[in-house]
Amino acid sequence: GAVVSQHPSRVICKSGTSVKIECRSLDFQATTMFWYRQFPKQSLMLMATSNEGSKATYEQGVEKDKFLINHASLTLSTLTVTSAHPEDSSFYICSASYRQGLSEAFFGQGTRLTVV
Amino acid sequence: EDQVTQSPEALRLQEGESSSLNCSYTVSGLRGLFWYRQDPGKGPEFLFTLYSAGEEKEKERLKATLTKKESFLHITAPKPEDSATYLCAVVRGSYIPTFGRGTSLIVHP
Repeated sequence: GAVVSQHPSRVICKSGTSVKIECRSLDFQATTMFWYRQFPKQSLMLMATSNEGSKATYEQGVEKDKFLINHASLTLSTLTVTSAHPEDSSFYICSASYRQGLSEAFFGQGTRLTVV
Repeated sequence: EDQVTQSPEALRLQEGESSSLNCSYTVSGLRGLFWYRQDPGKGPEFLFTLYSAGEEKEKERLKATLTKKESFLHITAPKPEDSATYLCAVVRGSYIPTFGRGTSLIVHP
């Protein structure tokens, strides 16, 4: 299957600082990337969808100024959590699809963010 | 609103004890349904895509089936390494997947 690499896998940051998470498709060009947040024993909560070269589409209730998404190339998308607070602590996962429309998405390994 | 419900929430099996996981959905205009496996602290791993009622797909001890209202993931003679959370997701016109909460499977040796 296709490989999606997400870094870092774990990060601890101080409250008020910003954290950047990278998501790379290693062996395919990702036309669409998704960013999710997952709470313990909960489903994946979609935060935003991004297509290469265009602005991300955020789900209702997700602050676009707090969670900055950039999809600068067909192989890289980044999520920046700005001015992080303890309530932003969570498991963040990206996924990438190789074509628009109906396509299985391949997931990164996830990033455990802890804000202290 | 799209609804995806997975049952049971948790399932404990003995090694070799076959069973099925259920994913029921209320979605108009279903375009596809995905099954994923997720290990603790990791991202989901793609298993299957099903596109239309009556379709079946198999991979090793797993077999996924689809009807107009639900999908089943059958696990035949499971092994401890099959222990994981199994997620289903449905996709309709917007092509954005909606995930269920998953079924946590534990297979005891």
